[in-house]
Amino acid sequence: KQEVTQIPAALSVPEGENLVLNCSFTDSAIYNLQWFRQDPGKGLTSLLLIQSSQREQTSGRLNASLDKSSGRSTLYIAASQPGDSATYLCAVAGTASKLTFGTGTRLQVTL
Amino acid sequence: DVKVTQSSRYLVKRTGEKVFLECVQDMDHENMFWYRQDPGLGLRLIYFSYDVKMKEKGDIPEGYSVSREKKERFSLILESASTNQTSMYLCASSGQGLGNTIYFGEGSWLTVV
Repeated sequence: KQEVTQIPAALSVPEGENLVLNCSFTDSAIYNLQWFRQDPGKGLTSLLLIQSSQREQTSGRLNASLDKSSGRSTLYIAASQPGDSATYLCAVAGTASKLTFGTGTRLQVTL
Repeated sequence: DVKVTQSSRYLVKRTGEKVFLECVQDMDHENMFWYRQDPGLGLRLIYFSYDVKMKEKGDIPEGYSVSREKKERFSLILESASTNQTSMYLCASSGQGLGNTIYFGEGSWLTVV
């Protein structure tokens, strides 16, 4: 059974800092990996999707990498802002449709 | 703009009541999903559907059923609500095939008393 782990569970950084969020998964037979953002009491918003054949994806200040063989992904956020404060979740697709989620990293960016 | 709409944001129901959670998507997506989210446990898949009238059990289907009579609508049913079903319920949809982004609704907070 696929298991997804995110470390750390919570992170606080000052504004402007670059940071890395980690995601690991136990079964490397995945179709893709997605990173999501969740604001308190809200649904999830997809940030980046990496296909199993890809190594990384970029969107603005966000860069996600994937090392399928080692079962790891990182989400890099450059020049963090208070508006980046949220919970970030990663999820892996073991079939074309089903996702297994990590429990998330709660990020606080302080002024 | 892409939209997954969950009709009820906050519900309070009594133990034993039948509860319907409705979800509608406007993207003509084949796949629809129901998750629940609990602190420390993350999101867990209850049921999903890859076509009209088709459904498959997820990781925690016990105590739930679903209905998909039309492509755009996917309903989650709690036949007899219990206090351990108090949770945040999230509906999602995605297109068929690999590499499709999944879109989530805003969530429904259900409290069973």
